[in-house]
Formats: sequence, C-alpha cells, structure tokens
Amino acid sequence: KAGVTQTPRYLIKTRGQQVTLSCSPISGHRSVSWYQQTPGQGLQFLFEYFSETQRNKGNFPGRFSGRQFSNSRSEMNVSTLELGDSALYLCASSESTGTKNIQYFGAGTRLSVL
Amino acid sequence: GEDVEQSLFLSVREGDSSVINCTYTDSSSTYLYWYKQEPGAGLQLLTYIFSNMDMKQDQRLTVLLNKKDKHLSLRIADTQTGDSAIYFCAESIRYSSASKIIFGSGTRLSIRP
Repeated sequence: KAGVTQTPRYLIKTRGQQVTLSCSPISGHRSVSWYQQTPGQGLQFLFEYFSETQRNKGNFPGRFSGRQFSNSRSEMNVSTLELGDSALYLCASSESTGTKNIQYFGAGTRLSVL
Repeated sequence: GEDVEQSLFLSVREGDSSVINCTYTDSSSTYLYWYKQEPGAGLQLLTYIFSNMDMKQDQRLTVLLNKKDKHLSLRIADTQTGDSAIYFCAESIRYSSASKIIFGSGTRLSIRP
C-alpha cells in the first residue's frame, strides 16, 4: 500500500496570501488529522476529519480550515497568512477503528511565510 | 486533564542503551505509542502498547508501561548513529464516540562516539 502523500512538499508564500495543502491518506483509511509543527510550540493538533465530517478540532483561529472529500483525501486551507504560520504541516491517516487509532504520517509540507 | 510530558534532550554513547521516558495524565488511555522523527521527515510509528500490557519487545526496542504511575518508557538497545532523531510519546484517549491522540513535546536523542 502507498503511504500518506502530502503535496506540495515545500511552499513559500507572503503575508496576507492564502494557501491550500493536500493530503492523500492510505487506501482504506477514513480518518485524516492535521498537525502544525514548529520549533517553539512542538506538535499541535489542528483538526481531524472522518467520513467528510470534522470530528475533532484543536485550538487554532478560524483562518485555518479543512475539508475531506468522499475518497478520504483532505485539504487544509490557511487564509490571510501570518509570519507565525511558517511551520511544517503534517497529515496523518488512520483506520480509526475504536480506540486503537494508529496514525500514519506523511512527510509534511514545509510552509514558509515571508 | 490531557497532558503528555517528556524530557527535551538525551545524549548517549554509541553502543549504549537509550532510555526515553514519558509521563501522561489521562487514566483512560487505551493505547500508547512511540514515534520517531528524523530531520525533515514526518513521524514514523516505531511501536505501540495496549494499556493492559506491562511490556512489549520488538528487536532492539523495549517498551515498559507502569499504568499505576502513568509512566511509559522506550529502551533502545545498542544505540546506533541512525537512531539520532526526535522521539514522540503519544496516548490515545476516548473522546465522545471516537478517540484522539495526544502527543508529547518530543525527546531529541543525540549519539556521541
């Protein structure tokens, strides 16, 4: 099986722009979670989608949004980019069968905001 | 509350054993995980343990769980330079009809010759 695929791998944007990141989960996985990783704040949970519905949400402003399609692929959007949004954005997919919930991560998208 | 804590750094000599420790607060944890992150990469699942187990061994990796003290450890035997990475501890806790994963801040393991 192919792993979790995130595109693009690298992105450079300027303040005020918006960006869309994409995540293709492992085949058969219905849950997709997004995380932001920065040196200062570590790994922070953004949100989780399951069967096209947002199931869990972290503590991020409304500029961060996401969606999931019927094929379980997910996109994350950040509007009105700020310098502090520079980070590695990680996507993880899981079968999400009960509490076992093993998450498999993609390689991430590194976003730089200038 | 939901919190997972780890020490930030660990330095060991090549060939020695590394022990990375983690404490968690939520007693309803069902599964606990160890992930490895190499520079510029995503997180790679190393191993996991169910909360009713005390120990799990997988080649050079040994996971010990003390549920009473809410303490989890990862022992890497015969540490090699390729083990240099950040190691994340995580727990799965029940949340409504599903579960969510709480990650620690990661322990950076460095290997000295």
